[in-house]
Amino acid sequence: GDSVTQMEGPVTLSEEAFLTINCTYTATGYPSLFWYVQYPGEGLQLLLKATKADDKGSNKGFEATYRKETTSFHLEKGSVQVSDSAVYFCALSELAGTASKLTFGTGTRLQVTL
Amino acid sequence: NAGVMQNPRHLVRRRGQEARLRCSPMKGHSHVYWYRQLPEEGLKFMVYLQKENIIDESGMPKERFSAEFPKEGPSILRIQQVVRGDSAAYFCASSPPSTGAGKLFFGSGTQLSVL
Repeated sequence: GDSVTQMEGPVTLSEEAFLTINCTYTATGYPSLFWYVQYPGEGLQLLLKATKADDKGSNKGFEATYRKETTSFHLEKGSVQVSDSAVYFCALSELAGTASKLTFGTGTRLQVTL
Repeated sequence: NAGVMQNPRHLVRRRGQEARLRCSPMKGHSHVYWYRQLPEEGLKFMVYLQKENIIDESGMPKERFSAEFPKEGPSILRIQQVVRGDSAAYFCASSPPSTGAGKLFFGSGTQLSVL
């Protein structure tokens, strides 16, 4: 079945450092890929998405590129801020049937310090 | 426009009791999804409902768990005779009928603790 593997956390960075959170997936078809973010005390929010190979999703300075050859969707940001501290979830969705049925990774906690 | 509302935020039950988790979707959203997050694991899909219909319950345990989304009122996830292994965070999400695949709006979750 489908699965998503992302790097374990927590990841601790100083403000303005470069961020990479790795995500790889296994899917039988051609899924859409997503990054969701969960800030403390809140629900998950869609951060960015990509629907086909070589697409780049971007939002709030975060980027991720859909790499079919390596089945990866790594999240990057050039300069993190304290306000980016949150849990980040990589997810995929097969488009057939119930299109919004997502398969999530375990989440990676990011802690940014001054 | 209020987001997805889940209550209670925290629920404590003793083994054998029933747990009822409520979810009010965003205004205008007719699709509701329930996910469960066990400790140290990712969110796992449980069930997908539209008004008065269960569309996909492939992630629901076969026994003790049920879900509904009536014509009026919130969606309810019901767990009968809870056991310690049911302790988890339960997230509800909603979407409008026309959303692109994967854009779900999540609530803050209900943390269920079974003593």
